[in-house]
Amino acid sequence: QLQLQESGPGLVKASETLSLTCTVSGGSITSRTYYWGWIRQPPGKGLEWIGGVYYTGGTYKNPSLTSRVAISVDSSTNQFSLKLSDVTAADTAVYYCTRDKGGRQRGCFDFWGQGTLVTVSS
Amino acid sequence: DIQMTQSPSTLSASVGDRVTITCRASQSVSTWVAWYQQKPGKAPKVLIYEASNLESGVPSRFSGSGSGTEFTLTITSLQPDDFATYWCQQYNSFPAFGQGTRVDIK
Repeated sequence: QLQLQESGPGLVKASETLSLTCTVSGGSITSRTYYWGWIRQPPGKGLEWIGGVYYTGGTYKNPSLTSRVAISVDSSTNQFSLKLSDVTAADTAVYYCTRDKGGRQRGCFDFWGQGTLVTVSS
Repeated sequence: DIQMTQSPSTLSASVGDRVTITCRASQSVSTWVAWYQQKPGKAPKVLIYEASNLESGVPSRFSGSGSGTEFTLTITSLQPDDFATYWCQQYNSFPAFGQGTRVDIK
């Protein structure tokens, strides 16, 4: 069974860069079907898609965040990563890594990590 | 940007009730809509994709319909495990979610 697990600091200072890694187990990140991505949810609020990456390194990102977001993939470790620069309190959220169905269903998310809370402190 | 507007924001229902949640897109998204269920402290779980396709392992009491700008999620006989928050999401353009519908016990 596919599993995704987020890891990274739970506390980041304002203006610094948030860095998270997602480890994929039970399946290969180099599958030609799927994208791998990130979604976040501020406490008590709605879901916001951040972006996704293909195993080749190609990405697609939310236009509202694209200038601050970098998403990369490391097939040797079966991991993919998120970097969000110049964070503010508005970036405090639970961050989920996801598998995107890909193909005609690109943008639909069928596996999710458990989520990790990242708090931005001043 | 395509906005997804869900209604109602909160719904109170009893076990056995038929429940319908509606989502309206600000412009046509064809049938590129998914529905998710989220329980407190947990990640969302996909129920329906491409507007009406039941994800593997999801009970048949869940169904989805619609195309263009109007979509519905129906639960035919609400079960105790179904009290949760439900999210619609379009993926015709970059993915975007509705504001959520919380289904709680009447």
